[in-house]
Amino acid sequence: DSGVTQTPKHLITATGQRVTLRCSPRSGDLSVYWYQQSLDQGLQFLIQYYNGEERAKGNILERFSAQQFPDLHSELNLSSLELGDSALYFCASSVLASGGGKGTGELFFGEGSRLTVL
Amino acid sequence: GDSVTQMEGPVTLSEEAFLTINCTYTATGYPSLFWYVQYPGEGLQLLLKATKADDKGSNKGFEATYRKETTSFHLEKGSVQVSDSAVYFCALRSQGGKLIFGQGTELSVKP
Repeated sequence: DSGVTQTPKHLITATGQRVTLRCSPRSGDLSVYWYQQSLDQGLQFLIQYYNGEERAKGNILERFSAQQFPDLHSELNLSSLELGDSALYFCASSVLASGGGKGTGELFFGEGSRLTVL
Repeated sequence: GDSVTQMEGPVTLSEEAFLTINCTYTATGYPSLFWYVQYPGEGLQLLLKATKADDKGSNKGFEATYRKETTSFHLEKGSVQVSDSAVYFCALRSQGGKLIFGQGTELSVKP
């Protein structure tokens, strides 16, 4: 058990709909990262938050957004869903803020939320 | 930008065979390097890591050495077991702390 909790584990929805994925980081971790895993794209970094603020953006579509709340949990919102958005969405956390050199940079991953868009 | 390239899978081995999964990277400087493993239906788990050149990470019989001269971090195990069947991801720590992953290599070990 990594200590990172993601809900829901599975989600099936229709094209055009909107869903929210939730992540609770490990106790004490301030950084949250979202990744998308699909068969054709592999593991793609979407976005990072640190202590409530956006820290880095990756290949995140404009239809997607995220936020981190004061209690440090994070939500990833996916809207106007398309078939191609079907994927496994992972949340990861770490204590690190940035490339400041603290620790070794290990990320702890949740078990993922599997989204199926029909 | 930073990137990681892994050998393509799937890799199929017999139990007790030797395993090598190649990984090379492109990055500015000398980033920390990682191997993560994903068992069927599960999330990613850290397998081993190395933070500087010539470091050797090891865990559960797996080893990888950080080679800056060849920008590589190949994963090896002397004798694989059926329980090692999983997808293995090589990764580097990029700016801001995010990890950049390779495309993953699926390993299947047959009894």
